[in-house]
Amino acid sequence: DAKTTQPTSMDCAEGRAANLPCNHSTISGNEYVYWYRQIHSQGPQYIIHGLKNNETNEMASLIITEDRKSSTLILPHATLRDTAVYYCIVRVANAGNNRKLIWGLGTSLAVNP
Amino acid sequence: DVKVTQSSRYLVKRTGEKVFLECVQDMDHENMFWYRQDPGLGLRLIYFSYDVKMKEKGDIPEGYSVSREKKERFSLILESASTNQTSMYLCASSMGGPGIYGYTFGSGTRLTVV
Repeated sequence: DAKTTQPTSMDCAEGRAANLPCNHSTISGNEYVYWYRQIHSQGPQYIIHGLKNNETNEMASLIITEDRKSSTLILPHATLRDTAVYYCIVRVANAGNNRKLIWGLGTSLAVNP
Repeated sequence: DVKVTQSSRYLVKRTGEKVFLECVQDMDHENMFWYRQDPGLGLRLIYFSYDVKMKEKGDIPEGYSVSREKKERFSLILESASTNQTSMYLCASSMGGPGIYGYTFGSGTRLTVV
């Protein structure tokens, strides 16, 4: 199973872009990269996912390198409410309908005023 | 607004008690999951279910069981609660089938066993 490596913590100034890196050097060709975040005392929240192309939605952008060994989640204009733990996850597809996600410890992002 | 609802936000139980944690989703999702989250250990999968009456063990099933009698409800059971089961418990659901779907999580139940 592919594992991910993320920095333990990061800081960002309010209003600036937050760029959160993730390494997944053992990812295989059919594995997707997912990003979730967890605000204190709440359940994780889905942000975005991708396979090889860059993706953008209303929350964030996901940039995946051409060799797929790393990715970056971009919050274009970070706000105080973006302070959370961000998880980068590689999807493992099991037989049938099972869709287990392997969670690491994530990056604790602090957005400062 | 679609959601996953966990019956209790905080729970305190005594050692040896049988504990039921309830989770209900209103999205008609096939898959449901129970995780526990502990500092320094991240989210660990206890059990999951991909259909009514179906269940599979996750990474740490010992001391737990589950029940899924209806599609929308997935219960986690601690047969005899112990202090090392003090944790944050998170329920999640996702669509089934061959597509790529994200998880929707509940707000969590913080269980303390004394």
